[in-house]
Amino acid sequence: GNSVTQMEGPVTLSEEAFLTINCTYTATGYPSLFWYVQYPGEGLQLLLKATKADDKGSNKGFEATYRKETTSFHLEKGSVQVSDSAVYFCALSQSGGYNKLIFGAGTRLAVHP
Amino acid sequence: GAGVSQSPSNKVTEKGKDVELRCDPISGHTALYWYRQSLGQGLEFLIYFQGNSAPDKSGLPSDRFSAERTGGSVSTLTIQRTQQEDSAVYLCASSLLWGQQETQYFGPGTRLLVL
Repeated sequence: GNSVTQMEGPVTLSEEAFLTINCTYTATGYPSLFWYVQYPGEGLQLLLKATKADDKGSNKGFEATYRKETTSFHLEKGSVQVSDSAVYFCALSQSGGYNKLIFGAGTRLAVHP
Repeated sequence: GAGVSQSPSNKVTEKGKDVELRCDPISGHTALYWYRQSLGQGLEFLIYFQGNSAPDKSGLPSDRFSAERTGGSVSTLTIQRTQQEDSAVYLCASSLLWGQQETQYFGPGTRLLVL
């Protein structure tokens, strides 16, 4: 079946450090890929997405590239801020008319000054 | 504009009681989804609606769970004879159109605690 695997947290970084959160997926066909973020006390919100192979999604300094050959969608940011502290979820929406999102387990990021 | 809203924000109930959770999607959004977020299971899909119909109910955990959507807008998720394992945050999302590329916008969730 379809699934998403992301690196376990928590990830603890100092401000201005480089961030990578790994995400790999298993899916039939050509899924769309998403990163959602959940800030403390808030709901899930879309961070970025990519809908076909080699697409790069970007937002708020975060980037992720849809790599079909490695079935990956790793999240990166060049310089994190304290305000980036949150839980990050990688998700896929499979092709073929099934629009439900399949989420990874989430990765908690803590950024310290 | 207004986002997805859910009510109540918190619900505490006794085991065996029925509960109703409400979702108001973003105005004009045709697709609506229910998910559940729990410590043990992470984020899991429950059911979705295209308009008022629910083509895929495979994610509902048991026949104690049901959902309906009326007028292409508000949706209600009902849990009958609640059990302690039903304790979770129930999330509703909506998207403008139906399709795998569509962004789903999430509400703040209803936190359900079954004692």
